Amino acid sequence: KQEVTQIPAALSVPEGENLVLNCSFTDSAIYNLQWFRQDPGKGLTSLLLIQSSQREQTSGRLNASLDKSSGRSTLYIAASQPGDSATYLCAVQLGYGQNFVFGPGTRLSVLP
Amino acid sequence: KAGVTQTPRYLIKTRGQQVTLSCSPISGHRSVSWYQQTPGQGLQFLFEYFSETQRNKGNFPGRFSGRQFSNSRSEMNVSTLELGDSALYLCASSTVRGPITEAFFGQGTRLTVV
Repeated sequence: KQEVTQIPAALSVPEGENLVLNCSFTDSAIYNLQWFRQDPGKGLTSLLLIQSSQREQTSGRLNASLDKSSGRSTLYIAASQPGDSATYLCAVQLGYGQNFVFGPGTRLSVLP
Repeated sequence: KAGVTQTPRYLIKTRGQQVTLSCSPISGHRSVSWYQQTPGQGLQFLFEYFSETQRNKGNFPGRFSGRQFSNSRSEMNVSTLELGDSALYLCASSTVRGPITEAFFGQGTRLTVV
């Protein structure tokens, strides 16, 4: 059974810092990995999707990497801003057309 | 292009009642998935519909059911509500671009069972 964990559970940083969020999964046979952002009480916003054949994806200040063999993905946020404060969720897709298995999330607070 | 629309946004129901939630996917998306989010269990997969057929199902009791219509809109029904069904219910629609399946989520329906 695929299990996804995220470290740390919560993180508080001053504005301007670069930071790394970690995601681990137990079964390396994944199809896609997707990072999401969730603001309190709201739905999920897709940030980055990495196919299993890819090593990383970038969008603006965000960079996500994937190491399937070790069952790890990292989300790197450069020059953090207070608007980045949210919960960040990592999700792995088990196969083509299959559902996602989500991690518990990392709650990020960026202090002005 | 409109996003995924879920209605209603908030619901308060009494134990024992039933409830129906609605999800309209992004135009052109044929796959709709439902997830339950609670503070204790996080996000858990309920079921997925593709072209009006349930393609995948999570580990939830039979009180949770769904369906998809020919226009890809989906409904989720929960019968005989229990206090533990209080949660944020999220719907996701997916599109396939070659090998890529990317999910887009709605704002969710907050269900409170009292």
